[in-house]
Amino acid sequence: GDSVTQTEGLVTLTEGLPVMLNCTYQTIYSNPFLFWYVHYLNESPRLLLKSSTDNKRTEHQGFHATLHKSSSSFHLQKSSAQLSDSALYYCALSDRGGSAKLIFGEGTKLTVSS
Amino acid sequence: GPKVLQIPSHQIIDMGQMVTLNCDPVSNHLYFYWYKQILGQQMEFLVNFYNGKVMEKSKLFKDQFSVERPDGSYFTLKIQPTALEDSAVYFCASAGGRRSGNTLYFGEGSRLIVV
Repeated sequence: GDSVTQTEGLVTLTEGLPVMLNCTYQTIYSNPFLFWYVHYLNESPRLLLKSSTDNKRTEHQGFHATLHKSSSSFHLQKSSAQLSDSALYYCALSDRGGSAKLIFGEGTKLTVSS
Repeated sequence: GPKVLQIPSHQIIDMGQMVTLNCDPVSNHLYFYWYKQILGQQMEFLVNFYNGKVMEKSKLFKDQFSVERPDGSYFTLKIQPTALEDSAVYFCASAGGRRSGNTLYFGEGSRLIVV
């Protein structure tokens, strides 16, 4: 079945350093939708980025990701980490549009320190 | 932004009792979801619901689970009877569908502890 893999469970960075959170996926569908959700403590998980277009960079709030179907990847990056970026980040896959469910990875806890 | 409200935020319940988790989805959304997250693990899909019917459910959606949205009110997840392994945070989500760009909006979760 479909699956999402986030290899790092915990990432700890110093403020100002670049961020890269890995996400790979498996699906039989040729046109998957990939998402990054961010979950701050005591808040709702909320959408950070999404894409269904191969090799096109998507940006939001300083973060960016590019869907690469050739490597089944959708890594999340940011050039310079901020203290406020500390949160849980979930990569998710949907096999089609509309009402399709999301399949989540295990999440990466990002901690940014000064 | 759009808000999904979940009630209660926390509940402790004796094993074998019934519990109902309530979700007030984003206004005008048509698709509704429940996810289950055990501490330290990923969010796992339970069920989605559209036009008064369950569209898809996972293996985690046991016979003791049921969902409904009577007359456009709360979208509810009922567990009857509860078991120890039902202890988790349950997240509700809603979506407007393709026209809304396939985005799911989540609530803050309902933490259920079964003792």
